[in-house]
Parts: sequence; C-alpha cells; structure tokens
Amino acid sequence: GESVGLHLPTLSVQEGDNSIINCAYSNSASDYFIWYKQESGKGPQFIIDIRSNMDKRQGQRVTVLLNKTVKHLSLQIAATQPGDSAVYFCAENIHPGTALIFGKGTTLSVSS
Amino acid sequence: GAVVSQHPSRVICKSGTSVKIECRSLDFQATTMFWYRQFPKQSLMLMATSNEGSKATYEQGVEKDKFLINHASLTLSTLTVTSAHPEDSSFYICSVRDRESEKLFFGSGTQLSVL
Repeated sequence: GESVGLHLPTLSVQEGDNSIINCAYSNSASDYFIWYKQESGKGPQFIIDIRSNMDKRQGQRVTVLLNKTVKHLSLQIAATQPGDSAVYFCAENIHPGTALIFGKGTTLSVSS
Repeated sequence: GAVVSQHPSRVICKSGTSVKIECRSLDFQATTMFWYRQFPKQSLMLMATSNEGSKATYEQGVEKDKFLINHASLTLSTLTVTSAHPEDSSFYICSVRDRESEKLFFGSGTQLSVL
C-alpha cells in the first residue's frame, strides 16, 4: 500500500483565503518530506521541504508543519491566489538517496 | 536553479511500436535518476531507479524487458517503452538527484498516447 496519503482529494477556496492541505504518512522512519505543486500536463514543482528534526518551516506565503507524533504533514498557503490552483502532493523520503514516495494528491481550486 | 530536460513532451504512437524518452540534467551531474509513471488523476508511481553505469532497479510489478532504462552518463538517462500498447498510455516523469547538493529535480514529463 501507499506510505503517504492525503486526507481530502479536493479543496475549494476563495481568492485571498488561507488554504490548508493535509497529508498523513505511515512510515515513522521517514526523515525528509517535500510538498510539490503539479499543474496539468507538467512535472512536479518543488514548493517547500522539511526534515524530521524540525516541526515547522516557512517559505514565501507557504508554511509546512510536521507532527511526528501523529505522522501528519500539512501545507499552509497564505492569501491563496488563482495561480495556486493545481494538484498538491506530499512526498516522503524513507532513506537518504532513495526515491520519493508520493501521496495521492489534493486538487486545490481557487475562485476569484 | 538546476534544470532537467525531458523529451519529448508528448508522443503519439501506434500499438506495437517502441518509444524512447530522454532525461537530461543540463547543469549538474546526476548520481541517480528515477522514473515515475502517472495515470490520469492519480499520483506518481515509482517505476525504477537508475545509477550511472549500472543496471536499473525496478519496482515490483514493472516489467524490465518492457521498460528499458539506460543510464549511460552522469547527465543522461533514457526510458524506452518497447512494443507499446494502449494500456501503457500515461504521463512519464523523470527525477534526478544532483550529485553535489543531493536535491531532487523533476523533468517536465512526457505524455505517451498509444493508439
């Protein structure tokens, strides 16, 4: 089965709202997590990453939170814009040097 | 930032033909390249891992004789879908690990449609 999954397949928000996308992972040995954005017909685009020795990391308009106790990862997007509309995947790296394992994806739709 | 070039971006072929997809790291050397497949509205599924100069490691359920991977240099890996059939129609994406930074970068993907 999949080691990383997302709670909701779709999320619809209004422009300017804050968005929260969630992800649950099952492998407690994973030490590195990444959020990707994928637009239709394109490859994944890196958003933000976090290592297991951290519980929060902030970027430009995005924040990733890691809760190792419940094996939960979230992506917060502040002031969501129509250009943020895409599918968002969390991915985990179980061992350094190995491939990323992707979750199912959440489709974010932002309406003006 | 690091650039990964993947070609072609889209290919339509007849059933039974073979299709080659290239993945190049343009400004860095890659220790490892990964190939993923993505069906519509689904996640990326790892197919295989390739290291330069050695045989690729395939995930369970992926036929190595059907999906031939060649990683001949530190900047180029190719995936050949042999005798393609309609069920092989999918979005194929390569991912490359930078030898120096250890970061992963993705190609733009190849949409394969087999008629």
